[in-house]
Amino acid sequence: SQQGEEDPQALSIQEGENATMNCSYKTSINNLQWYRQNSGRGLVHLILIRSNEREKHSGRLRVTLDTSKKSSSLLITASRAADTASYFCATAISDSSYKLIFGSGTRLLVRP
Amino acid sequence: NAGVTQTPKFRVLKTGQSMTLLCAQDMNHEYMYWYRQDPGMGLRLIHYSVGEGTTAKGEVPDGYNVSRLKKQNFLLGLESAAPSQTSVYFCASSGTSGRATEQFFGPGTRLTVL
Repeated sequence: SQQGEEDPQALSIQEGENATMNCSYKTSINNLQWYRQNSGRGLVHLILIRSNEREKHSGRLRVTLDTSKKSSSLLITASRAADTASYFCATAISDSSYKLIFGSGTRLLVRP
Repeated sequence: NAGVTQTPKFRVLKTGQSMTLLCAQDMNHEYMYWYRQDPGMGLRLIHYSVGEGTTAKGEVPDGYNVSRLKKQNFLLGLESAAPSQTSVYFCASSGTSGRATEQFFGPGTRLTVL
């Protein structure tokens, strides 16, 4: 079964609004990563947060991690039409140094 | 730097045919991975490699074989294609830290098995 599950499955917002996506996972992790996938393209790494970190920022992105609840959230502030994409969380589980387990993704549509 | 490249971009096979997907990376990464992505789903790991000459099974390895004869290349083979293997295949690579770090993805190969 999937380690990470994103919520919501799909999100439609107006340009300029904030977008929040959530990810839940089942087992202990080493780190959690967020990736973006534009339609028909490969995945692009956005941000990595380690299990001993609670919050991380990168430009308009803010990621939080709550290991007690086994959940993470990705906030995109002041969204743009170019942010339209699918967003995936991926977990590196503690007993593996190399593998990532991906969730099913959130499809974000930012309307101009 | 080209990053991670995949060949071919598209392929249509008939059931029972074989083919090899090629992945190449020019970042001197130790770790390489093959994933498949089905509609509405995330990526599932097929096989991976932690160095030249090594391979290991991922989450969904059945029906696939891999080889990593050179550090920069990772080949995925389908010996006898089945319609269930219709999917988009992504190759990825990551660095040498020994810890799970960011992965760099190729553009994907869209495979249809009739």
